[in-house]
Amino acid sequence: DAEITQSPRHKITETGRQVTLACHQTWNHNNMFWYRQDLGHGLRLIHYSYGVQDTNKGEVSDGYSVSRSNTEDLPLTLESAASSQTSVYFCASSSGRLDGRSSGNTIYFGEGSWLTVV
Amino acid sequence: AQSVTQLDSQVPVFEEAPVELRCNYSSSVSVYLFWYVQYPNQGLQLLLKYLSGSTLVKGINGFEAEFNKSQTSFHLRKPSVHISDTAEYFCAVSDSGGSNYKLTFGKGTLLTVNP
Repeated sequence: DAEITQSPRHKITETGRQVTLACHQTWNHNNMFWYRQDLGHGLRLIHYSYGVQDTNKGEVSDGYSVSRSNTEDLPLTLESAASSQTSVYFCASSSGRLDGRSSGNTIYFGEGSWLTVV
Repeated sequence: AQSVTQLDSQVPVFEEAPVELRCNYSSSVSVYLFWYVQYPNQGLQLLLKYLSGSTLVKGINGFEAEFNKSQTSFHLRKPSVHISDTAEYFCAVSDSGGSNYKLTFGKGTLLTVNP
């Protein structure tokens, strides 16, 4: 079955280190997203991509970067990890628009990556 | 820009009781609405979605939601809950314009079903 996988699932890192979270999907979806989930904030969009070489900032993009060199992967990099970036990170993907013009379209989520910055 | 407000952060209920999880949205354009469920230590799974047509939408696991445009609401309901429904539930919105590819989420409602 097609799927979306994240790695590592759990990571502890030190303040100031660079960290990369991997996301790989086998649906051949054009759209990929990174969200972070924090208690009291729900899910907030960090970065997203609508295709190869396309990247866009979400509402909480400071301190994060992404690159899209192929359809399957959207790695998320924390350039210099901070304690405020301790969170659960979710990667997601979809094939197109979410409205009725492409019925059945939806966003699929990975299992999450738990990141602790100490 | 659109936003979503989930009115209750936690909802405790007893098994076999009915439940309603409330969601209100704000947007200057037409919207599409979604409910996702997150079981402990897992990713999010789509429960149901409203795109157009009938305002009563049925989803998986016996859940349903009703779109009310005049009240800008999309409340989630289940007539009889089970222990296994214990999870966090997220309401989300996508607008009909150029941002129709991505979702804006509410802060979530933790549903706890007690025996």
